[in-house]
Amino acid sequence: KAGVTQTPRYLIKTRGQQVTLSCSPISGHRSVSWYQQTPGQGLQFLFEYFSETQRNKGNFPGRFSGRQFSNSRSEMNVSTLELGDSALYLCASSYTGGVDEQFFGPGTRLTVL
Amino acid sequence: GESVGLHLPTLSVQEGDNSIINCAYSNSASDYFIWYKQESGKGPQFIIDIRSNMDKRQGQRVTVLLNKTVKHLSLQIAATQPGDSAVYFCAENSSYKLIFGSGTRLLVRP
Repeated sequence: KAGVTQTPRYLIKTRGQQVTLSCSPISGHRSVSWYQQTPGQGLQFLFEYFSETQRNKGNFPGRFSGRQFSNSRSEMNVSTLELGDSALYLCASSYTGGVDEQFFGPGTRLTVL
Repeated sequence: GESVGLHLPTLSVQEGDNSIINCAYSNSASDYFIWYKQESGKGPQFIIDIRSNMDKRQGQRVTVLLNKTVKHLSLQIAATQPGDSAVYFCAENSSYKLIFGSGTRLLVRP
């Protein structure tokens, strides 16, 4: 069974630009979550989607948004990029998002210059 | 590979020794806890989980202990191997999100 895939793996943007990251979950998984990982703040929850509905959202500004498609694939968008948005963005999928194992992708490394 | 964390607490152990990694969690209502291992350049990888109605669970070479009274988790790795070198995170699952601890870097000395 193929794992969680994320594209692109690396991205360089400049301040003020916007970016879209993509995540394809494991086949059959309907829950997709996004996390931001930085050396200073560690792993922080962004949002979670299940069957195209956002069920939970972390404490991030409105510049961070996401969506999920009917095939469970998910995208997250960051508008008006700031230097502090430089991070590893991780996607995780699971069957239900509750008490079941979440599988992480390799992440997208975003650098904002 | 990417740097996971520049200022993580580090546990250094001799190959073959047992390792114990500790973690405090925040939400007394959390009912599901997970340990993850993250190697450089990779996403977190599931190691073992435990539900709040248990206080101990064993896997292959790993044991997780849960103390709900003091909101504490520990991960024990038996006969630590060089391949165990990584950053280890505990996480609590609450309302469809994982809340991660700050992580511990495990270094295994040959």
